[in-house]
Amino acid sequence: DTGVSQDPRHKITKRGQNVTFRCDPISEHNRLYWYRQTLGQGPEFLTYFQNEAQLEKSRLLSDRFSAERPKGSFSTLEIQRTEQGDSAMYLCASSQTGSNSPLHFGNGTRLTVT
Amino acid sequence: GQNIDQPTEMTATEGAIVQINCTYQTSGFNGLFWYQQHAGEAPTFLSYNVLGGLEEKGRFSSFLSRSKGYSYLLLKELQMKDSASYLCAVNNAGNMLTFGGGTRLMVKP
Repeated sequence: DTGVSQDPRHKITKRGQNVTFRCDPISEHNRLYWYRQTLGQGPEFLTYFQNEAQLEKSRLLSDRFSAERPKGSFSTLEIQRTEQGDSAMYLCASSQTGSNSPLHFGNGTRLTVT
Repeated sequence: GQNIDQPTEMTATEGAIVQINCTYQTSGFNGLFWYQQHAGEAPTFLSYNVLGGLEEKGRFSSFLSRSKGYSYLLLKELQMKDSASYLCAVNNAGNMLTFGGGTRLMVKP
């Protein structure tokens, strides 16, 4: 168990550019979540997958955001035409099936849009 | 809708006991989690409670009242390393965790 890994750790981009982040979950976990966190706030839910199926997506999520988990293993989160308001920490988490299964978080990708 | 409230900041003294409260109003309920998050790091799991009552794990305990929509995290024998944010999160019926804003705890010597 090497934990949840995210890449890159930091990303600085100019407004209007597209960015893509990658998450590798714990191998035996079939659920994968994306959250966004800004300074001094709790994580805000973006979307989640069970295996390769995207089961839930936040209604607050702009259509500039898209996530995939093509083979039910790693996942990517893409943000198109980035805006300064997209600057945040993007956290990925994975868990086993079951309501009592805790989420295991990666260290996140910090995005700065200039 | 989902509403989870926690105090924004708390301060306590090393060696003391501190209680961090969380109240929630959610459209579904499948359990409540507490997480610890040190600055610049990922949240780490502390406790899970679904039936209600007190769950004890070392220096940390969590209490849940489902009828009142209320939980607290109790930290005993505080240490400097306990300075962190503590996040209350509710698992709704869709197996999605909704987090509160977090309580930043500062432990002073």
